[in-house]
Amino acid sequence: DTGVSQDPRHKITKRGQNVTFRCDPISEHNRLYWYRQTLGQGPEFLTYFQNEAQLEKSRLLSDRFSAERPKGSFSTLEIQRTEQGDSAMYLCASSPWGQNIQYFGAGTRLSVL
Amino acid sequence: GNSVTQMEGPVTLSEEAFLTINCTYTATGYPSLFWYVQYPGEGLQLLLKATKADDKGSNKGFEATYRKETTSFHLEKGSVQVSDSAVYFCALTSTDSWGKLQFGAGTQVVVTP
Repeated sequence: DTGVSQDPRHKITKRGQNVTFRCDPISEHNRLYWYRQTLGQGPEFLTYFQNEAQLEKSRLLSDRFSAERPKGSFSTLEIQRTEQGDSAMYLCASSPWGQNIQYFGAGTRLSVL
Repeated sequence: GNSVTQMEGPVTLSEEAFLTINCTYTATGYPSLFWYVQYPGEGLQLLLKATKADDKGSNKGFEATYRKETTSFHLEKGSVQVSDSAVYFCALTSTDSWGKLQFGAGTQVVVTP
């Protein structure tokens, strides 16, 4: 069990570019969550997958954001036409069915210049 | 909606001092309550949890009791170490939320030798 893995750890991009982040959950965890954390704040929920189905999206997730979890394994979070306000730490967490505990990855820090 | 309020930091303590971080919540139904810790450069780690009123969560010398009458879940440790320096987040999940976490803003704790 290698834990939740996120890639890349850091991403610097220019405003208007598209970026994609990847999350590999703990094996056999069927629940997967994305959160966003800005400096000095707690993480805020973005979206939730149960297996491959995206069951909830926060209002924080504008049309420029899209997330997928094909085959119910890894997940990707894409941000199109990035804005400076998108600069944040993007966290992924996974959880096994029947347990109310989430295991977090180290996050991807996005900086939009 | 649900919310979590925790005391602002930073909290600066000497080694072996007593630590308390206050956390209060607003939620519908019967939430589960958590404390997560984030060490510098690392992801969030679950420190302890409590799932019903009067439950006490404990781990690594930290304790917190689920107080429904005061809607609180204060974190305590009797004798802190330098290695306890981190940011501590109080969080909850409600029964109707697919397990998504609602976090407080976090409290930075600095322990000096």
